[in-house]
Amino acid sequence: EVKLEESGGGLVQPGGSMKLSCAASGFTFSDAWMDWVRQSPEKGLEWVAEIRSKANNHATYYAESVKGRFTISRDDSKSSVYLQMNSLRAEDTGIYYCTRSTMITLYAMDYWGQGTSVTVSS
Amino acid sequence: EIVLTQSPTTMAASPGEKITITCSASSSISSNYLHWYQQKPGFSPKLLIYRTSNLASGVPARFSGSGSGTSYSLTIGTMEAEDVATYYCQQGSSIPRTFGGGTKLEIK
Repeated sequence: EVKLEESGGGLVQPGGSMKLSCAASGFTFSDAWMDWVRQSPEKGLEWVAEIRSKANNHATYYAESVKGRFTISRDDSKSSVYLQMNSLRAEDTGIYYCTRSTMITLYAMDYWGQGTSVTVSS
Repeated sequence: EIVLTQSPTTMAASPGEKITITCSASSSISSNYLHWYQQKPGFSPKLLIYRTSNLASGVPARFSGSGSGTSYSLTIGTMEAEDVATYYCQQGSSIPRTFGGGTKLEIK
């Protein structure tokens, strides 16, 4: 059974930092592309970042709104993906989901975690 | 950036009714990269249809998808109470990945 479990969310002040983690199980993690997607009432579902598989040189991509502030990384030995968030702003508030994509679905996000809530407020 | 516009934004359907949700893209997308998700209240989004018309595992056959180029649609053949949810289209053709604004489906 595929499982994605996010952790690390919480309350942080504007300008602060936070690191989210996503522990994966039930599939060959090293073959998967992993994304972070966030959701807020104001913006709906918003793609944040993607890290591809080792076969794709672990290439990373970011939404313009987070480029230069957020860093996505992965540890294939731990089947985990991370999102380091710096210089946080109020508009970064939302539920952050970890998602999996594979070649089978031509990289649709076929599994989502339960999400972790991030609140940026003073 | 490819903008996806869904319509309607909200709708209500009676049990047994056929419903169609549309997703319009600001530029042409390969049908291989247009996907649909279902999010029930209080839950994470779930993949519903991938590559325009392929049902994800466990999805009932009353769901179907079609389209090409800039115009795509999701159809529920006969509305059931368990289909109450918000539906999103998403394109994986280019970076940034983008989602439609969602269609909230309620039952009459």
